[in-house]
Amino acid sequence: AQKITQTQPGMFVQEKEAVTLDCTYDTSDPSYGLFWYKQPSSGEMIFLIYQGSYDQQNATEGRYSLNFQKARKSANLVISASQLGDSAMYFCAMRSYNNNDMRFGAGTRLTVKP
Amino acid sequence: DSGVTQTPKHLITATGQRVTLRCSPRSGDLSVYWYQQSLDQGLQFLIQYYNGEERAKGNILERFSAQQFPDLHSELNLSSLELGDSALYFCASSRTGSGEKLFFGSGTQLSVL
Repeated sequence: AQKITQTQPGMFVQEKEAVTLDCTYDTSDPSYGLFWYKQPSSGEMIFLIYQGSYDQQNATEGRYSLNFQKARKSANLVISASQLGDSAMYFCAMRSYNNNDMRFGAGTRLTVKP
Repeated sequence: DSGVTQTPKHLITATGQRVTLRCSPRSGDLSVYWYQQSLDQGLQFLIQYYNGEERAKGNILERFSAQQFPDLHSELNLSSLELGDSALYFCASSRTGSGEKLFFGSGTQLSVL
């Protein structure tokens, strides 16, 4: 069974600083994708970044990067130069190519301080 | 705007009642997913449809059912509602049935009183 673990219920970061949100996963499937979503207080789920299990390089999307360590089964999200608008819940998710559904971690609530 | 449309945005009802949540996927997407988000359970996968057929099932209660119609829109039916069913229900869609990211609707906030 797939399992996604986010061990940080809440994180604080100073504006303009970088922050790392942790995510570990467990799967026996060799082929899978890892995703991060942002959920602001308005409630919508916003896709941030994707990493395929066979990708050799860490994914980057603007200020977001994914620190992918396959042997350790971790997929940490790094947000650089934090902005006040980054305050939100962040969810790590995984989807294997053998299973059809996407499973989510419990989420981390990030608060950016001015 | 993700392109996924969910209606209604808010729904208030009483215990024992039945409600229907509706979802229109992004244009061209064949697969629809339903998730339930509550404070104590997080985001729980309920069920997935692909091109009208059920593809995967998660933690969906027997009181809940869903279907995907030929025009690819989907409905989630919740019956014999209980207080604990109060949650944010998301619909998401993807072009195919596996591997790729999901596009989420804005959700339906269900309150059972």
